[in-house]
Amino acid sequence: GAVVSQHPSWVICKSGTSVKIECRSLDFQATTMFWYRQFPKQSLMLMATSNEGSKATYEQGVEKDKFLINHASLTLSTLTVTSAHPEDSSFYICRAREPTFNNEQFFGPGTRLTVL
Amino acid sequence: QKEVEQNSGPLSVPEGAIASLNCTYSDRGSQSFFWYRQYSGKSPELIMFIYSNGDKEDGRFTAQLNKASQYVSLLIRDSQPSDSATYLCAVSSGSARQLTFGSGTQLTVLP
Repeated sequence: GAVVSQHPSWVICKSGTSVKIECRSLDFQATTMFWYRQFPKQSLMLMATSNEGSKATYEQGVEKDKFLINHASLTLSTLTVTSAHPEDSSFYICRAREPTFNNEQFFGPGTRLTVL
Repeated sequence: QKEVEQNSGPLSVPEGAIASLNCTYSDRGSQSFFWYRQYSGKSPELIMFIYSNGDKEDGRFTAQLNKASQYVSLLIRDSQPSDSATYLCAVSSGSARQLTFGSGTQLTVLP
């Protein structure tokens, strides 16, 4: 079955540093990738939607200059958290959409970011 | 603003019982409805999806959709301790197929 991978699975960094998270669709072409953030005991909040080769569309309240999203190929999207601060500590999850499927099941395993 | 509402719980049921999870949504244009199970520290796992009014059964799980009432539910029959997790209701709309998630219901199945 279709698999979506994320790397790294967890990362600890110092405040002020930048962290890049990769999301890959391993056996299908993802025309659209979604990035979510989940704080403890809260639901998934959509951060941005990216289509391959286009600029990402950010949700209201998400700083595009802080959360840089690149979707340069049909199998890879990256989220870079720039100048990370402790309040950015969260669980970041990507979702890849394969347009011929209507069951939205292709989530990555998530990346736990802790900013000290 | 699109909203998806769930009772946060926690909901506790004894092993073997039926667990009933409910969800309402605000966007009448919503097209597809999903139930996910999420274990602590893991990403969501798709349990059921439903597009049409009525019931859809898959093993021990039954999803029910009532578009007129903007209501979707999930029944888990013969609940097992391994079903203990947070269940997320999600609604899809628009050409981009964005998912809007509810806050989740924490289910505990007691052995």
